[in-house]
Amino acid sequence: DSGVTQTPKHLITATGQRVTLRCSPRSGDLSVYWYQQSLDQGLQFLIQYYNGEERAKGNILERFSAQQFPDLHSELNLSSLELGDSALYFCASSPSERPNTGELFFGEGSRLTVL
Amino acid sequence: DQQVKQNSPSLSVQEGRISILNCDYTNSMFDYFLWYKKYPAEGPTFLISISSIKDKNEDGRFTVFLNKSAKHLSLHIVPSQPGDSAVYFCAASGLGNTPLVFGKGTRLSVIA
Repeated sequence: DSGVTQTPKHLITATGQRVTLRCSPRSGDLSVYWYQQSLDQGLQFLIQYYNGEERAKGNILERFSAQQFPDLHSELNLSSLELGDSALYFCASSPSERPNTGELFFGEGSRLTVL
Repeated sequence: DQQVKQNSPSLSVQEGRISILNCDYTNSMFDYFLWYKKYPAEGPTFLISISSIKDKNEDGRFTVFLNKSAKHLSLHIVPSQPGDSAVYFCAASGLGNTPLVFGKGTRLSVIA
């Protein structure tokens, strides 16, 4: 158990809809990262927050947005969903502000299926 | 363009033998490399890392080798055990505020 909690574990929705994925980091970790893993793809970095502020941004679509709340949990909002958004979405946390130091602790992921 | 490449999608090894998983990278600014292991229905977990100032790092049965001139690293597992069967991701990071870049992963199957 990494200590990172993601909900929901599975989500099935239709094209055009909007969903919210939630992540609670490990106790004490201030950084939250979101990664997307599509079929046969590696983990694609989407965005990082540190203590409520955006720290780094990857190839995150404009239809996607995220935020980190004062209690440090984070939400990833996906809107106007397309079939290609079907993927496993991982949240990870770390105590470090810099995204390139140390290990990340991953949650079990949220599997999104868009029909 | 993939900056971190794991060219073998899968690898099958007999129990007790050595498993060698390979990873190539293109960005010469990468200076820190990690391996993660992922079991089905679980998130990736950190396995071992290496800084670019080293060429080898060992942790029990796991050893990572780094060849900076070839921009290549490898993970050796000796001896391989059935519980090592998982997907292994190579990841790299560089200076500044750059996040970890992951490869596509290699699925290792250790056969008893």
